[in-house]
Amino acid sequence: QITLKESGPPLVKPTQTLTLTCTFSGFSFSASRVGVGWIRQPPGKALEWLAVIYSNDDERYSPSLKSRLTITKDSSKNQVVLTMTNMDPVDTATYYCARRRGNDPPDSWGQGTLVTVSS
Amino acid sequence: DIVMTQSPDSLAVSLGERATINCKSSQSVLYSSNNKNYLAWFQQKPGQPPNLLISWASTRESGVPDRFSGSGSGTDFTLTISSLQAEDLAVYYCQQYYTDPWTFGQGTKVEIK
Repeated sequence: QITLKESGPPLVKPTQTLTLTCTFSGFSFSASRVGVGWIRQPPGKALEWLAVIYSNDDERYSPSLKSRLTITKDSSKNQVVLTMTNMDPVDTATYYCARRRGNDPPDSWGQGTLVTVSS
Repeated sequence: DIVMTQSPDSLAVSLGERATINCKSSQSVLYSSNNKNYLAWFQQKPGQPPNLLISWASTRESGVPDRFSGSGSGTDFTLTISSLQAEDLAVYYCQQYYTDPWTFGQGTKVEIK
């Protein structure tokens, strides 16, 4: 059974850096071309893809947020970490992590974690 | 970026009737070397993460009822729910995974008439 779970602070202040962790089970980065990505969704709004990291350490970022994002993985812990700098209230959203196999779309998602940016 | 545009934004359908959602991409998501359309459909119910319904434009995921079907190629795609059930009330998103950044449509909310 594949599971992913997001964890991180529910509240951050403007200008702070957000660090989110995705811990997963049921698959590993040892498989060829496995990726774990982050997607966010502001309340009542659409989904926005942020970043993905693959088993070969290839990293891809949303061009509009690239300067603020860093994605890393710890294969031994089955974790992927996303950091986002200079947080703003418009970054308030539910943040999801999801798995991608090969060229398939993301097929397994975590339940999401709500992050509120407020002073 | 490839822009995904869905229509309509919301849709009210009677139980048992057909629901049709359209998705248009700003450029083709058909990869010529394998003749596959890199287009997925997701269903999202309130308080839940998106659930993958259809990949490759028309391939239903395991466990997805056959009343859900996807069609289209290139830049124009359709999700059809042949006979709407109460449990189908949700927001539906199309997504292209042809190229990074993955991009989603704005969503279509399906309601009961």
